Amino acid sequence: AQRVTQPEKLLSVFKGAPVELKCNYSYSGSPELFWYVQYSRQRLQLLLRHISRESIKGFTADLNKGETSFHLKKPFAQEEDSAMYYCALKRYKAAGNKLTFGGGTRVLVKP
Amino acid sequence: KAGVTQTPRYLIKTRGQQVTLSCSPISGHRSVSWYQQTPGQGLQFLFEYFSETQRNKGNFPGRFSGRQFSNSRSEMNVSTLELGDSALYLCASSSAGTGGETQYFGPGTRLLVL
Repeated sequence: AQRVTQPEKLLSVFKGAPVELKCNYSYSGSPELFWYVQYSRQRLQLLLRHISRESIKGFTADLNKGETSFHLKKPFAQEEDSAMYYCALKRYKAAGNKLTFGGGTRVLVKP
Repeated sequence: KAGVTQTPRYLIKTRGQQVTLSCSPISGHRSVSWYQQTPGQGLQFLFEYFSETQRNKGNFPGRFSGRQFSNSRSEMNVSTLELGDSALYLCASSSAGTGGETQYFGPGTRLLVL
């Protein structure tokens, strides 16, 4: 069975401070990891995926297979980063879109 | 392109009834997935349809079923509703579901079971 854990339900930071959202997973096979974001009154949308190794809106995430983690980081948080963030996993190169989501972390960036 | 649409947006039913929710994917998308979101269990995968065939299935009882039509529109049905079925039901579409492409989520249908 696969499982995704986001230990922080709420993360409150000041504007300009670094922010790190933790994501740990358990999965016996090769995983593909994602971060999804939901801004207030908007739909759930993909933020980034580990295979792309890209930086979106200043966010980066590195897959650490040894620690089974995929933490999301941003060096300088902005007020517009306030949102709900979900880490998700699927079997790497698997056909289909069966995603396992973590419980989510709410980020509040204070001015 | 128009985004994923879901109808109805809100629904109130009573225990024992059945309900059908609809999802229209982005034009050209052939994969549609359904998720249930509740405060207690979070986001859970229900099932995925691709080219009118169920390709993946989550761990939900048989009361939850779905189908996909030739135009890729999908419906999910919940029979004999229980109070615990109250949730936000999200659908997501992607072009082929072969892995790697982005899933686009709809706004959800909020179901309240009384």
